[in-house]
Amino acid sequence: DMKVTQMPRYLIKRMGENVLLECGQDMSHETMYWYRQDPGLGLQLIYISYDVDSNSEGDIPKGYRVSRKKREHFSLILDSAKTNQTSVYFCASSLSPTGNTLYFGEGSRLIVV
Amino acid sequence: AQSVDQPDAHVTLYEGASLELRCSYSYSAAPYLFWYVQYPGQSLQFLLKYITGDAVVKGTKGFEAEFRKSNSSFNLKKSPAHWSDSAKYFCALEGSSNTDKVVFGTGTRLQVSP
Repeated sequence: DMKVTQMPRYLIKRMGENVLLECGQDMSHETMYWYRQDPGLGLQLIYISYDVDSNSEGDIPKGYRVSRKKREHFSLILDSAKTNQTSVYFCASSLSPTGNTLYFGEGSRLIVV
Repeated sequence: AQSVDQPDAHVTLYEGASLELRCSYSYSAAPYLFWYVQYPGQSLQFLLKYITGDAVVKGTKGFEAEFRKSNSSFNLKKSPAHWSDSAKYFCALEGSSNTDKVVFGTGTRLQVSP
């Protein structure tokens, strides 16, 4: 089954707390992505991972870091969450970084209070 | 730099009408272009893509899009529209270099009334 799974789906955190968003895929895709979606802004790329321990900043990496120790798993970490990081976060994967369809997870809604 | 513009934030039409959602892009070389759809409360799903070849590409759910290099557009079309097509539609561009990333437009919310 071709699936991207995100955990948790909903999360409320206090400002300054650490946040871990996890993403898994069962397609052995090389490339994985973290996006955030905000009203009126579409999807903004936070980080892209080309394979294990091969990560690259996207357009808005500040305040985030990522970890990819296994091909099927890609984590997004917020060290000391801020209220402006309240958003919906989407993980996606693709077979390779060029010209391939992105498969998206269901999204993780994070509220930072 | 690469960018995508979806100039219409909202489009409303009646069931049975033809729909066309606009997308223009900016990229100096040959682009890879995509359309994704997001139904309310759901994630994004792939509709279709243009990589090379025929300018008109057909996708899922009866949608098609036409790549026009002359005016850097990749508009999404369907006729007739159905109320179940109500969703948010995103156009995306990926550059043809290995280091280019996928850039999304801000999306067009389509409302099809019965």
